[in-house]
Amino acid sequence: GESVGLHLPTLSVQEGDNSIINCAYSNSASDYFIWYKQESGKGPQFIIDIRSNMDKRQGQRVTVLLNKTVKHLSLQIAATQPGDSAVYFCAENIGGTGGTSYGKLTFGQGTILTVHP
Amino acid sequence: DAGVIQSPRHEVTEMGQEVTLRCKPISGHDYLFWYRQTMMRGLELLIYFNNNVPIDDSGMPEDRFSAKMPNASFSTLKIQPSEPRDSAVYFCASSRGRDQETQYFGPGTRLLVL
Repeated sequence: GESVGLHLPTLSVQEGDNSIINCAYSNSASDYFIWYKQESGKGPQFIIDIRSNMDKRQGQRVTVLLNKTVKHLSLQIAATQPGDSAVYFCAENIGGTGGTSYGKLTFGQGTILTVHP
Repeated sequence: DAGVIQSPRHEVTEMGQEVTLRCKPISGHDYLFWYRQTMMRGLELLIYFNNNVPIDDSGMPEDRFSAKMPNASFSTLKIQPSEPRDSAVYFCASSRGRDQETQYFGPGTRLLVL
């Protein structure tokens, strides 16, 4: 029979454009968020993180924005390059005083970014 | 630092066989995580350890799966007996400590059960 898999959102951009990848997270108690990049055949690679007491954090060519009111996270990549082509995952963590949720990350389904030269 | 090391990188086995996946976390990291990634379900946490002790194994699919961490530098994930639906990429990740710490992933083991 036909297999059904995840239908990941896709974003196609031209080299040099800015990219914005969005993520809606699920738990209002989440207090730590990470963006990962996964290239084909490799493990997820850390890009940038943000704690819930912040609404913006910048790295090299990347910016993460956090809107806790609507539980939304975005990753902005400036001057996107072909090497940025990958699947991008957001992940949320519920911290707190311990218990089994301690340190657990919940990953989103991912967004496929394709950068055309 | 060498990063998280996993072996083997690829494994092909027949249904019913035992499969053992291995992981060496980053030195000094006291949390270790095992994940499974499939097209159907995405990236799922199976189990994680803190200071070599299993903390949460609620993601382990069934009793055929077991994980151990005999010391701070080594962990195994075992599937016995393996089934075709276990085919996936298995990742190990480690982090330095308490919550709000970044997890660093290994390259993964691509498992195919025929």
